[in-house]
Amino acid sequence: GAVVSQHPSWVICKSGTSVKIECRSLDFQATTMFWYRQFPKQSLMLMATSNEGSKATYEQGVEKDKFLINHASLTLSTLTVTSAHPEDSSFYICSARDLSPLSSTSVVTQYFGPGTRLTVL
Amino acid sequence: DAKTTQPPSMDCAEGRAANLPCNHSTISGNEYVYWYRQIHSQGPQYIIHGLKNNETNEMASLIITEDRKSSTLILPHATLRDTAVYYCIADSGGGADGLTFGKGTHLIIQP
Repeated sequence: GAVVSQHPSWVICKSGTSVKIECRSLDFQATTMFWYRQFPKQSLMLMATSNEGSKATYEQGVEKDKFLINHASLTLSTLTVTSAHPEDSSFYICSARDLSPLSSTSVVTQYFGPGTRLTVL
Repeated sequence: DAKTTQPPSMDCAEGRAANLPCNHSTISGNEYVYWYRQIHSQGPQYIIHGLKNNETNEMASLIITEDRKSSTLILPHATLRDTAVYYCIADSGGGADGLTFGKGTHLIIQP
């Protein structure tokens, strides 16, 4: 399957600082990437849809000014948590859909990154 | 996306087949059944998907009932590394939207 990477895998920061998380599709191009958040013992919740070359679409209740998304290329999307606070501590996961014509399936499969553990002190 | 219902947890002995059920009684005709799993502190891993027919790959088999209202994921020879939360998701497969994750089934493989 397609490979999606995230960097960093974990980060600890002080309250009030900003943190940038990168999501890369390593062996395919992704015009659309998705960002999820997962709190302990809970399921993944979609935060936003990142489209290459255009503005991201945010889910209801997600502050777009706090979670800045940039999708400048077909293989890279970044999520910046601005002015982070302890309640932003969470597991952030990105996914990308493989639309390559060589895909073995006729439908789109989303592949997920390994996640980034953010701890805000 | 259609809602899916899964048991919260299941146990299975190592080496045995693990059969994970999923109900999706409101699934639409154009929605596929996807299965992902999430090992602790990792991102979800794609397992398999299907529309109507049963599917098999190197990881698992997917059995979909004829009325498509339920399905079963089968791990033929479970190992300790298969311990994870398994998510059954109904999605159109178009890829325009993110996936909607339910609570999944926590499968525990017992030695």
